[in-house]
Amino acid sequence: AQSVSQHNHHVILSEAASLELGCNYSYGGTVNLFWYVQYPGQHLQLLLKYFSGDPLVKGIKGFEAEFIKSKFSFNLRKPSVQWSDTAEYFCAVKDNDMRFGAGTRLTVKP
Amino acid sequence: DGGITQSPKYLFRKEGQNVTLSCEQNLNHDAMYWYRQDPGQGLRLIYYSQIVNDFQKGDIAEGYSVSREKKESFPLTVTSAQKNPTAFYLCASADLAKNIQYFGAGTRLSVL
Repeated sequence: AQSVSQHNHHVILSEAASLELGCNYSYGGTVNLFWYVQYPGQHLQLLLKYFSGDPLVKGIKGFEAEFIKSKFSFNLRKPSVQWSDTAEYFCAVKDNDMRFGAGTRLTVKP
Repeated sequence: DGGITQSPKYLFRKEGQNVTLSCEQNLNHDAMYWYRQDPGQGLRLIYYSQIVNDFQKGDIAEGYSVSREKKESFPLTVTSAQKNPTAFYLCASADLAKNIQYFGAGTRLSVL
């Protein structure tokens, strides 16, 4: 079974700093890739997804992620974070089953 | 208002008691899922169902049971056999053709 690794458990940034959250997966076949976000007290919601085509995908709220097949990675980026980006971020990978990473908690200091 | 409704928001279980968590969706999705979320462990799949009257075990099905008698509903029972039930439980549904899961607000289960 595949596994999904998110290397950063907790990231603390100041507003306007750039963000990159790492996600690596173990499966080498064709996969669908997702980033979900869970704001405090809210539903888990889809931030962006990659199925095929351009490996640089753009999501909501200025987030983007790049699929690098050779590195089995799907890192999430944002050039300038805001306080409202404080949340927990989950990477997920789907072949036959959906697997989630352990999550990265992002705290943005005002 | 379309979406996934989980109830209750908070639930307390006594020792030896079975409790049932409700999940209802009005998105006309074929597939429904139950996950358990623990700090530092992400989401782990308990059970899933891709069609009415059929369901499959996920990674951590022991101590749990489900039913799928209606397309809209996928209740999860946490049985007394689940020795560590304290967690946040998330229900999701998906249109299998679009391959995206949508989540409910969750139920937080604690043991008295």
